[in-house]
Amino acid sequence: TQLLEQSPQFLSIQEGENLTVYCNSSSVFSSLQWYRQEPGEGPVLLVTVVTGGEVKKLKRLTFQFGDARKDSSLHITAAQPGDTGLYLCAGLQGGSEKLVFGKGMKLTVNP
Amino acid sequence: DAGVIQSPRHEVTEMGQEVTLRCKPISGHNSLFWYRQTMMRGLELLIYFNNNVPIDDSGMPEDRFSAKMPNASFSTLKIQPSEPRDSAVYFCASSSLKTGAREQFFGPGTRLTVL
Repeated sequence: TQLLEQSPQFLSIQEGENLTVYCNSSSVFSSLQWYRQEPGEGPVLLVTVVTGGEVKKLKRLTFQFGDARKDSSLHITAAQPGDTGLYLCAGLQGGSEKLVFGKGMKLTVNP
Repeated sequence: DAGVIQSPRHEVTEMGQEVTLRCKPISGHNSLFWYRQTMMRGLELLIYFNNNVPIDDSGMPEDRFSAKMPNASFSTLKIQPSEPRDSAVYFCASSSLKTGAREQFFGPGTRLTVL
């Protein structure tokens, strides 16, 4: 059972374009994390959102946590080739330390 | 400070052989996680430890898989006997309970190929 659904699964865009990645679930999460993974490496944390409705910005990346804490989105403005990678969302439930990961969105930004 | 260290980085073995993957977590971290990543199933949690004690092994596929954490600085994941369907990238991650956000720091992974 995949608790976190990410869409789209693949995206290939030109440098300078904007994009949004969605992470949806029917479950409530105490917090939600976004990771970025490059080929041959492990995922690296980008941001953690905790409060429903929270918006966080990290340079050209904007993260939003849904009001009901069931979904999240990542928006990238003016994408660059260096943004290429696999973007993973992961949810933390209740008092557990277990992260539930989505399958990820593979982004390719062409120069 | 060194990150999470995993060895080997690549492992190619034949079906039926025993495979041992190793992990050294970040010093001071008290939680350790073993994941498996495949194209079909994404990143799946196999087992995690808290203060060297296994807390949840519900993700371990079957009895062929076992994990140990004899001390705070070392963990192993063993597959015996290995099968071709075990081919995947295995990640170890660690975190600290002191960090309320529960950020996990991942190692570079071990790419396992079972022929």
